[in-house]
Formats: sequence, C-alpha cells, structure tokens
Amino acid sequence: EDQVTQSPEALRLQEGESSSLNCSYTVSGLRGLFWYRQDPGKGPEFLFTLYSAGEEKEKERLKATLTKKESFLHITAPKPEDSATYLCAVQAGGNNRLAFGKGNQVVVIP
Amino acid sequence: GAGVSQSPSNKVTEKGKDVELRCDPISGHTALYWYRQSLGQGLEFLIYFQGNSAPDKSGLPSDRFSAERTGGSVSTLTIQRTQQEDSAVYLCASSQAHANTGELFFGEGSRLTVL
Repeated sequence: EDQVTQSPEALRLQEGESSSLNCSYTVSGLRGLFWYRQDPGKGPEFLFTLYSAGEEKEKERLKATLTKKESFLHITAPKPEDSATYLCAVQAGGNNRLAFGKGNQVVVIP
Repeated sequence: GAGVSQSPSNKVTEKGKDVELRCDPISGHTALYWYRQSLGQGLEFLIYFQGNSAPDKSGLPSDRFSAERTGGSVSTLTIQRTQQEDSAVYLCASSQAHANTGELFFGEGSRLTVL
C-alpha cells in the first residue's frame, strides 16, 4: 500500500526565515510525486509534479526536490501569505488514485 | 463558472438519514475524483471516474456509499443511513484525461456533519 508521511506536522516561521518540509514515501513504481497547497476552508491547489529522482521545480519562493525515498519543499524567505497547509501526494504506476499525506501546516509570522 | 463546483457547501443531518452531495466538474475534464478529508487526517480516496470506463470504487469505505456520474459530467455522491463517523469534508476534483501530471482541480468541498 502506498504510504506518505510528512514532517513536521506544524511549523511556525518568522517572516524571512527559510525552512524545509519533508515528505517520505513508499510506493510501488512511482509515477509521480505532487505538492499541493491548501488554505483553510478551501480545496487543495496544485503546485508541482516531480517524476524522477534528482528533479527540481521552482515557483516563486517554493522549490521542490525529489530523491528515491523523499521529497523536500523548500520555502525561501517566506512571507505571511505563504501560510497554508502543504500536502504531498504520490501516484503509483498503473494506479488512478493519488495517495496523500496528512500535510505540513505552516504559519509565517510577520 | 470556471472551477469545480460542489453543493451543498455545508450539510447537517441526523444519524440514519441519507445525504446526496453534488459535484460539477470543469467543462471538458473527463476524470473526476471524490476524496474525504477528516479533521487531522489526510485526504482519503473514495472513487474515480474516467470517461465511459467503469469507475474505480476501491476507496468506498462501506456499501452505504455510492456515486454516479451522469453524461460524463455531473457526479453525485450518496451516503445512506449516515453515521457520526461519516462527518468530514467531501472534496471533488477533476482533471483532463488521466491525471498523469497530478494536476487535479479541487472544489471547495461539502462539509458534512452527522449529529
């Protein structure tokens, strides 16, 4: 069974204080690893797809990286508007579903 | 609208009643997913529809749960004889063809409270 574990569960950062979120996964034949952002009361919003170890994607202050066992979401010089829950998900080859972790809840304090 | 639309946004019901949740996906999206999100838990897969293919129902937690998709567009998730443990936010998502890119477009969810 596909498993996704995210750490830390919750993180408080000062504005400008860079940090990283971890997503460890176990999947049979990774088709893709995905990062989403979820704001309170909203549905998740797609951020990145990573397909193979060594791949990196960037968007504004966010950078996602992938190894064979885990992915990191680096937040550089965060701003209060980066406060959200970040969700990691994996999709196995031949599978339709995305398996999600419980998320990393990030609060950026001005 | 341009996004995935779900209704109702909030539903409070009594234990034992049946509920129906509706999802209107983005026009042209052939893939449709239902997920459930309980407090403190990750998103739990329920069911997947792709075009005219048989749906993947492997995530439905019991036979009280069913879903249909009419005309390849609107989907309805039905929960019969609701229980308190069914309380959660039910999220619908759609995507173009197979979700090979992982880019699912989610609605804002239907929050179900079973008293």
